[in-house]
Formats: sequence, structure tokens, C-alpha cells
Amino acid sequence: GAGVSQSPRYKVAKRGQDVALRCDPISGHVSLFWYQQALGQGPEFLTYFQNEAQLDKSGLPSDRFFAERPEGSVSTLKIQRTQQEDSAVYLCASSLGRGAGETQYFGPGTRLLVL
Amino acid sequence: DQQVKQNSPSLSVQEGRISILNCDYTNSMFDYFLWYKKYPAEGPTFLISISSIKDKNEDGRFTVFLNKSAKHLSLHIVPSQPGDSAVYFCAARTNQFYFGTGTSLTVIP
Repeated sequence: GAGVSQSPRYKVAKRGQDVALRCDPISGHVSLFWYQQALGQGPEFLTYFQNEAQLDKSGLPSDRFFAERPEGSVSTLKIQRTQQEDSAVYLCASSLGRGAGETQYFGPGTRLLVL
Repeated sequence: DQQVKQNSPSLSVQEGRISILNCDYTNSMFDYFLWYKKYPAEGPTFLISISSIKDKNEDGRFTVFLNKSAKHLSLHIVPSQPGDSAVYFCAARTNQFYFGTGTSLTVIP
């Protein structure tokens, strides 16, 4: 079956440009997570959705970062006025249940480079 | 503040031998621990997990050990195979997941 997909796979943005990263979770998965992975680091939590509700956004690094999941399936992570420090791989993960302890299935990530 | 640490960035092991990957954590409230495997240009893939109420979980060639008093977690792979070459992340959960920085395992044929 289809796993988690993300698009685009690679994105080069000029500093100050807005970007939108898309995540298609596994069909029927209730929970969706966004992570940021800087070079040489592990994934760091950004935000968590349960269906369309954003239950935790404590990891979003600034108000330039915004995530939505309006219909409880596809999610978009938007970064406004990108900065060089936003360069990272952005990973999306989904899980079947409602608990944060459910096994998460990751997408391949979007590699963002801000010049 | 890094709550989950993998102090060995890389590890090389001969095919057929045991690979031991280590992970230390600081938060005693973690109740669930996982290991993920990651190939280049792919997202992490779930490998094995353990609840904090257990000290060992085994799945085929993979065994995870948990030492709560030492706040230490390890993954044993035996026998190691060349296809096991990847980056391994440990992760721990409270209300969200915290990941280590990863250990790159190379299994030499």
C-alpha cells in the first residue's frame, strides 16, 4: 500500500521567499506530525495534528511557520519569509491512532535549501 | 537541551558479528522507546520498540535492551548483514517524540 508521500522532494528558495511543503499521510491515519531535521541532527518535533485539529504546535520555531490540515488528511507546512537557518529536511509522519505513542510512519522528507 | 543522546556518530562491524548501538536519555518521564533505521534520501523506518515497563524486547535479529536505572537503551543486531548499513535513530516519548542524533552503521562484507 501507499506510504506517506511528501512534495516537493527538494526545494531551493531565495531568502525572504515563502514556501509550502505538502504531506500526504497514509489513508485513514488519524495523527500527523511534522519534524525538522537539520544536517547531522535527529528529527525535531514541530507540530502534531489529530484529524484536522492542531493539538500541539510547541515545536514551531517562530511565527513564520504555519501548518494546517483542513480536512484531516493532507497537511501543508508553510514557511513565510524564509531564512537561511530554515534550511533542513522537513519530515512528515502519520500514525493510525490518536495516541502520541503509536508507531509513526515517515515520508521521505522535503529538503529545503534557503540561499 | 538534548534529552536523547547517541554519542557514537558511526560504527563499523564485520558481517556476521554483533552490532551494538547505544542511546542515553535524561528524562525519567519517558515511557516508550523506539529505534528507527534510515537509508539515504528516505524517511526513517520503524524498527523495534520497548515500553518502559520492560527491559528487553526481541524481534528476529534485533533486540532492544532498556536499563532504566542507568537511563540507557541499546540495540543489538546479530548477525549483522550488509543491508543493515544505515543510520539508526533512537527516540523516546513523553507527550511527543524526542530523537537522538543518529549512529551511522556500516557492516563490512
